[in-house]
Amino acid sequence: GDSVTQMEGPVTLSEEAFLTINCTYTATGYPSLFWYVQYPGEGLQLLLKATKADDKGSNKGFEATYRKETTSFHLEKGSVQVSDSAVYFCALWSGNTPLVFGKGTRLSVIA
Amino acid sequence: EAQVTQNPRYLITVTGKKLTVTCSQNMNHEYMSWYRQDPGLGLRQIYYSMNVEVTDKGDVPEGYKVSRKEKRNFPLILESPSPNQTSLYFCASRQAGANYEQYFGPGTRLTVT
Repeated sequence: GDSVTQMEGPVTLSEEAFLTINCTYTATGYPSLFWYVQYPGEGLQLLLKATKADDKGSNKGFEATYRKETTSFHLEKGSVQVSDSAVYFCALWSGNTPLVFGKGTRLSVIA
Repeated sequence: EAQVTQNPRYLITVTGKKLTVTCSQNMNHEYMSWYRQDPGLGLRQIYYSMNVEVTDKGDVPEGYKVSRKEKRNFPLILESPSPNQTSLYFCASRQAGANYEQYFGPGTRLTVT
């Protein structure tokens, strides 16, 4: 079945450091890919998405490129801020109704 | 404001005492679902609903019931809660289709003693 694998956390970075959170997937067909973010005490909210190969999703300085050849959708940000501290979830949708989520990666950014 | 609301936000109860967590969305979404979030396990889907009167099991449905009598509401029912159902629960909704954003409620933290 479909699955998403994310790098284990937690990830701790200093402010202004470069961020990469790895995400790879297994799916039938051509899934849509998403990154969701969960700030402390809140529900998940969509951060960015990509619906076909080579698409780049971007929002709030975060980017992720849909790489079909490596079945990956890694999340990157050039300069993280303390306010980016959250849990990040990679997810896919491949035509079966439920979204499939990874286990989440906790990011802590220290000043 | 477009939103998904859940009540209660926090609940402490005892084993075997029936409870209901309500979920409501104001976006006229067809699709609604319930998840539980546990440390190290991420989000796991409990039940989902494609539309009114249409519900189906997710990955971890045991011990839970749902109903979808109206489009906007999707309550989660625990007939006889047990301590292993202590968790953080999220309701979510979206329009039908692949590329629509899924909106999440703020979560309900349930403790069963």
